[in-house]
Amino acid sequence: QKEVEQDPGPLSVPEGAIVSLNCTYSNSAFQYFMWYRQYSRKGPELLMYTYSSGNKEDGRFTAQVDKSSKYISLFIRDSQPSDSATYLCAMSDADKLIFGTGTRLQVFP
Amino acid sequence: NAGVTQTPKFQVLKTGQSMTLQCAQDMNHNSMYWYRQDPGMGLRLIYYSASEGTTDKGEVPNGYNVSRLNKREFSLRLESAAPSQTSVYFCASINRPGANNQPQHFGDGTRLSIL
Repeated sequence: QKEVEQDPGPLSVPEGAIVSLNCTYSNSAFQYFMWYRQYSRKGPELLMYTYSSGNKEDGRFTAQVDKSSKYISLFIRDSQPSDSATYLCAMSDADKLIFGTGTRLQVFP
Repeated sequence: NAGVTQTPKFQVLKTGQSMTLQCAQDMNHNSMYWYRQDPGMGLRLIYYSASEGTTDKGEVPNGYNVSRLNKREFSLRLESAAPSQTSVYFCASINRPGANNQPQHFGDGTRLSIL
């Protein structure tokens, strides 16, 4: 079993929809949680960074961490075609950083 | 401010050829990383350098060597390329030495095909 599981998609939604992206993990020592966005033929760029449990909001993006369920989510409100990309979750126990496989999102006009 | 720069962007090799992938960062970061990204496998760490003068193996080091040339530059070498090394290679860096819980800054990758 992988330490971090992420549905690869693709996920296709209409413009304006609310998008929910998720990852599950098995290592209870993970305390640092990140979401990266990766456009085609580009490197990943950090979108959200959270420590421990709870919610964090930044504009149209909200990151949620539920450590009791070992489950993290990224919500995108009012999705735009420019949000079309692959979204990777990543998490760390301060010793190592593990990435999910990424979910490909397509937002169509 | 270029951030993390990788060269070349694309390369095609024949089995058995050798090649060095270059990475340079201009953010004065201490730690640098090499990953490979394959479909369905995500980003996997090949080697990293927590600080100038040190290098360590990651999850998938076999078939690769690295050199931390100075604080700015971290190269990845394939001594005898194999088709299984066909992948997209990413270099990344962070400021705090060995702080693996910190967000990393990535280059745009080198797409390597081995025939």
